[in-house]
Amino acid sequence: DAGVTQSPTHLIKTRGQQVTLRCSPKSGHDTVSWYQQALGQGPQFIFQYYEEEERQRGNFPDRFSGHQFPNYSSELNVNALLLGDSALYLCASSFVDRGGEQYFGPGTRLTVT
Amino acid sequence: TQLLEQSPQFLSIQEGENLTVYCNSSSVFSSLQWYRQEPGEGPVLLVTVVTGGEVKKLKRLTFQFGDARKDSSLHITAAQPGDTGLYLCSGSQGQNFVFGPGTRLSVLP
Repeated sequence: DAGVTQSPTHLIKTRGQQVTLRCSPKSGHDTVSWYQQALGQGPQFIFQYYEEEERQRGNFPDRFSGHQFPNYSSELNVNALLLGDSALYLCASSFVDRGGEQYFGPGTRLTVT
Repeated sequence: TQLLEQSPQFLSIQEGENLTVYCNSSSVFSSLQWYRQEPGEGPVLLVTVVTGGEVKKLKRLTFQFGDARKDSSLHITAAQPGDTGLYLCSGSQGQNFVFGPGTRLSVLP
């Protein structure tokens, strides 16, 4: 049973560029959430997707957008990258009725130079 | 804004010692989770607590949810080097999720 997978593992981008991160949820899970984790901090909730719709959003600007596909996989897009966007981006999947119990992928380490 | 505070921020102990870490908030949560995260990896779910006053045990780890569902504690008995990691608590209210900053535990052999 495959767990949550994310790609790519590492990514280096230049300020102003755009980036797309990908996530495949744990088998059977229908809900995907994205988090940003800066060095030395806890994860910050970006948004959650269920049934291809954004259900909830954290305190992140519109430069952060996402998508969920019919197979429940998801993408996180970040436009106009800033140096402060450098972080570990985590994807977590869950069942819609047990949203607090999340299973995380290994993350994508994004470095913006 | 819901905030979760965790204490201590850092903890370094010798193998075999006992320890307790805390997770506190002014908000009431419908459920609270504890995770452990190792460097370069995503957090791994340890436990979910739902009922005020609930106590759950996972081998040498004991988790307690406060009666008012605003705080929680994690007690580790006879810590081992394999317990080293970042311990995160997370609270949920509906589809709103918040994580604490974590307690970084180092267990020395």
